[in-house]
Amino acid sequence: AQTVTQSQPEMSVQEAETVTLSCTYDTSESDYYLFWYKQPPSRQMILVIRQEAYKQQNATENRFSVNFQKAAKSFSLKISDSQLGDAAMYFCAYAGGTSYGKLTFGQGTILTVHP
Amino acid sequence: GAGVSQSPSNKVTEKGKDVELRCDPISGHTALYWYRQRLGQGLEFLIYFQGNSAPDKSGLPSDRFSAERTGESVSTLTIQRTQQEDSAVYLCASRPPGLVGETQYFGPGTRLLVL
Repeated sequence: AQTVTQSQPEMSVQEAETVTLSCTYDTSESDYYLFWYKQPPSRQMILVIRQEAYKQQNATENRFSVNFQKAAKSFSLKISDSQLGDAAMYFCAYAGGTSYGKLTFGQGTILTVHP
Repeated sequence: GAGVSQSPSNKVTEKGKDVELRCDPISGHTALYWYRQRLGQGLEFLIYFQGNSAPDKSGLPSDRFSAERTGESVSTLTIQRTQQEDSAVYLCASRPPGLVGETQYFGPGTRLLVL
């Protein structure tokens, strides 16, 4: 079974600084997808960034980028120029190519942004 | 266009009562997922629907849980004889046709409290 581990229950960052959230996963599949979702207090899950495992190039979305290390099964999220609105719970998630897209989530990391 | 909607937003019930949760997916999205999120934890997969195919019920925690979906429209998740451990946020997500790794779009969830 696939597992996703987020080893940092909480992280904090100063506004305008950079922070990196860690995620590791375990799988025997070769075809899969990785995601970072953000969940603010409103409960709404918002996609931050998505990575296809067959692509070697790291995904980037504006201030958000990932460091995808396939051999190490690591998928960290870097947030640059942190903003107060980035404060939320962040979840790393995995979807296997043969599992109908059902997501396996990590336990989450609470990110606090200090002004 | 409209996103995924869920109702009710909050539900308080007494132990032993049945509850029904509703999910309206994004129009045209063939895949629909239900997840459960216990307080302070990641999301757990419950059930998956794809068009008229047989659903993947592998995540349902007990036979008290059931779900239905007619075609590509509304889905309902029913919990019979609710227990206090059923207290959680129940999230629905839908996905457009195509690769299983396409982004899932989440609703705002239903917070269920069983007294």
